[in-house]
Amino acid sequence: AQSVTQLDSQVPVFEEAPVELRCNYSSSVSVYLFWYVQYPNQGLQLLLKYLSGSTLVKGINGFEAEFNKSQTSFHLRKPSVHISDTAEYFCAVTNQGAQKLVFGQGTRLTINP
Amino acid sequence: DVKVTQSSRYLVKRTGEKVFLECVQDMDHENMFWYRQDPGLGLRLIYFSYDVKMKEKGDIPEGYSVSREKKERFSLILESASTNQTSMYLCASSSEVLAGETQYFGPGTRLLVL
Repeated sequence: AQSVTQLDSQVPVFEEAPVELRCNYSSSVSVYLFWYVQYPNQGLQLLLKYLSGSTLVKGINGFEAEFNKSQTSFHLRKPSVHISDTAEYFCAVTNQGAQKLVFGQGTRLTINP
Repeated sequence: DVKVTQSSRYLVKRTGEKVFLECVQDMDHENMFWYRQDPGLGLRLIYFSYDVKMKEKGDIPEGYSVSREKKERFSLILESASTNQTSMYLCASSSEVLAGETQYFGPGTRLLVL
């Protein structure tokens, strides 16, 4: 069975500082990986996804993530955060032939001025 | 733009009531999903549907049922609401049947069962 672990439930950072949100997954087959963001009082929206090809994936709002098969990780990074990045971030995994996403527990990113 | 709408943002119900949560998508998507979101647990799949009148159980289907009579509409039903069903409920849809397709989410319904 697949699973996703987001190692930090909360990450506080200062505005304009870099941030990394960590995600590890377990799966015995090839995976597709996703990062979704949930702004306050909203549903989730896709930040980026890895399906195949380059292991460095660029998403919206300056975020990027790197797929590391040997480490079974898909960490999300941004070199300089803004107040508007305050949100909850979810990592998710699925595999070829599956329709279901398995989500991690979420990481709440708080930006301090 | 894909739009997924949910019938209510907030609902308050009493224990034992039958509760209907409605979800509508406007992009002719094949797949629709119902999740519940709880702090520290992320999103957990309740049911999903890949076609009209088709449904499959997710990871936590107990206490819930679903209905998909039309392609654009997917309803979640709590037959007899209980306090442990107090949660945020999120609906999503996606096109195609291939894995890797983006899911588009509604704004959520926050349900309180007293």
